[in-house]
Amino acid sequence: GAVVSQHPSRVICKSGTSVKIECRSLDFQATTMFWYRQFPKQSLMLMATSNEGSKATYEQGVEKDKFLINHASLTLSTLTVTSAHPEDSSFYICSASSREGGGNEQFFGPGTRLTVL
Amino acid sequence: SQKIEQNSEALNIQEGKTATLTCNYTNYSPAYLQWYRQDPGRGPVFLLLIRENEKEKRKERLKVTFDTTLKQSLFHITASQPADSATYLCALDRWGGKLIFGQGTELSVKP
Repeated sequence: GAVVSQHPSRVICKSGTSVKIECRSLDFQATTMFWYRQFPKQSLMLMATSNEGSKATYEQGVEKDKFLINHASLTLSTLTVTSAHPEDSSFYICSASSREGGGNEQFFGPGTRLTVL
Repeated sequence: SQKIEQNSEALNIQEGKTATLTCNYTNYSPAYLQWYRQDPGRGPVFLLLIRENEKEKRKERLKVTFDTTLKQSLFHITASQPADSATYLCALDRWGGKLIFGQGTELSVKP
C-alpha cells in the first residue's frame, strides 16, 4: 500500500513552453501533498505544500506564478512549470501524507526529470 | 535557520559489516526525525521514523538512535549487503508536516 505515482517520468521541452506534472496517490487519500525539487548531488528542497481544495502554500523564494499547483482531489495534485527555462531543469518529486495511517511519514513518487532546452 | 548535516563523503564498507551514518542538526528541536533511502533517479523511500521521546528504534537490520541533547541521529545497517548501496537521507519535521532534508550520504557496500 501507500503508492504514489508521477507522470510523466521524464520530459524534454523547449524553452518558453509549459509542462504539467501529475502526482497521484493510488491506494490512499492524501489531504496533503508536497512538491520538491532536487538538483544533482543535492538534497530535496521543498517548493510548496498542497492541500486538497485550497491554495498551495509556497516556500520562500519559490515563484507561485511560475510553479502552479492544483490539488483538485484527495488523490491528485498537479504542478505546472510555466514558461520553462533551462534553469528550471531539475528532478521534481511529489510526496503525500496518508490520511488514514498514523505517524508522519511521507510517501514519495518516483520523480519527474525535466530537461528544458 | 534550521540546518541539517550528514556525512558529505561517501561511505564505503565491506559486505557483512555495519554501516553507520550520521545526521546532525542545529537551531531546531524536531518532534521527530526520519530516514529515507534514495536510489539514483528515483524518489526517496521511507525507512524509519523516530520521535523525540524515543532513544532508539529498530526495523530488521536497521537501527536508528536519536540524541536530542547532542542534536544527532545515527543510522545503522547491520550485516550490510551490496543491495544496501544507495543514498540515505535524514529529514526533520517542521510544522504542518513539512520536512527538511539533509544532503544525504552515499553508501557503497562492496562484496
